Amino acid sequence: AQSVTQLGSHVSVSEGALVLLRCNYSSSVPPYLFWYVQYPNQGLQLLLKYTSAATLVKGINGFEAEFKKSETSFHLTKPSAHMSDAAEYFCAVSAFLNNNDMRFGAGTRLTVKP
Amino acid sequence: SQTIHQWPATLVQPVGSPLSLECTVEGTSNPNLYWYRQAAGRGLQLLFYSVGIGQISSEVPQNLSASRPQDRQFILSSKKLLLSDSGFYLCAWSVYNNEQFFGPGTRLTVL
Repeated sequence: AQSVTQLGSHVSVSEGALVLLRCNYSSSVPPYLFWYVQYPNQGLQLLLKYTSAATLVKGINGFEAEFKKSETSFHLTKPSAHMSDAAEYFCAVSAFLNNNDMRFGAGTRLTVKP
Repeated sequence: SQTIHQWPATLVQPVGSPLSLECTVEGTSNPNLYWYRQAAGRGLQLLFYSVGIGQISSEVPQNLSASRPQDRQFILSSKKLLLSDSGFYLCAWSVYNNEQFFGPGTRLTVL
């Protein structure tokens, strides 16, 4: 079975500062990894995904994540935070070729200060 | 392009009343469909998924049920709501074992 742990339920950064949201996964099979963003009272929107191709994955809105097998991590970064990045972010993992078993982390709420 | 609809957007129901939430997908055929619940301050809990008409898999025991009467329609139901059923319910779809696409959600408050 797969699982993810998101370190830090709340992260606060200043506008223009680096954003780093941490995600560690556990999987007994090759994983697919995802980052989703959720704005208040809305559904989840896919930011980026890792599906065993390039380990550095670029997504929408300037976000990227790096798959590190040795560290079982898939941290999300953005060089310069914008006020519009304030939202909740979820890391998710599924087994290769079986996304009926997708597991989500508890989420990290990102606050961006002016 | 594909779109996913959920209704109602918000719902306030008394304890013990029935529930019916509907999800429909447009622009794709034979999708996998999912129901998730998101409780306040918590992540997403998978409730049900379906790989085809009439095929429902339940992830957790509860007083909720799901049905898939048509290829692109997924319904979440309950005969008697509990206070603990309050939350944000999200429907999602996927194809080809790829990412899941989420609907706008239904906010359910049970009083």
